[in-house]
Amino acid sequence: NAGVMQNPRHLVRRRGQEARLRCSPMKGHSHVYWYRQLPEEGLKFMVYLQKENIIDESGMPKERFSAEFPKEGPSILRIQQVVRGDSAAYFCASSTLAGTETQYFGPGTRLLVL
Amino acid sequence: QQQVKQSPQSLIVQKGGISIINCAYENTAFDYFPWYQQFPGKGPALLIAIRPDVSEKKEGRFTISFNKSAKQFSLHIMDSQPGDSATYFCAPFSYSGGGADGLTFGKGTHLIIQP
Repeated sequence: NAGVMQNPRHLVRRRGQEARLRCSPMKGHSHVYWYRQLPEEGLKFMVYLQKENIIDESGMPKERFSAEFPKEGPSILRIQQVVRGDSAAYFCASSTLAGTETQYFGPGTRLLVL
Repeated sequence: QQQVKQSPQSLIVQKGGISIINCAYENTAFDYFPWYQQFPGKGPALLIAIRPDVSEKKEGRFTISFNKSAKQFSLHIMDSQPGDSATYFCAPFSYSGGGADGLTFGKGTHLIIQP
């Protein structure tokens, strides 16, 4: 029973490029959260999605960041025109039920912007 | 405004000793209090959690103590082992918000258990 999968595990981009991070939730899970972790910091909530719906994006920067969770396929976190400050570890977590505290985390994608 | 304050930032404990990590919160809407364990290069994993209707919960060597009036909860690791060396996060959660804002993580405690 595979856990939450994220790819790529490491991503290097130059300033101004686009970064696309993918998250496949656990089998049977239809709720996905994205978090960002800066060095020496805790994880910060970014966005909460259900299939085909964004439920809460209050933690996501208003510009350059977007997320989707289509009916088929993984959830995507997209960062356009990346800047050095976007360098961080991005984690997704999935759950079975809406608003549940039991979230299972993936291994994360480490984004480095040169 | 920091909703969750975790201490200490780092902790070194001898093997066999007791590791204690504290978490203070401000949001009285929190009603689920977990601790997560994170190893380098990995995502956080739920270690132990408590609900506000009890003051203590024990699972093996791990114990959560909860003080609702003080708005604090702590993690105790008994007989600490080198394999417990990791970063620990408190991450309280509010059901009343529908979970829409996810878990609120503290900044983490780097725990090192010396052999």
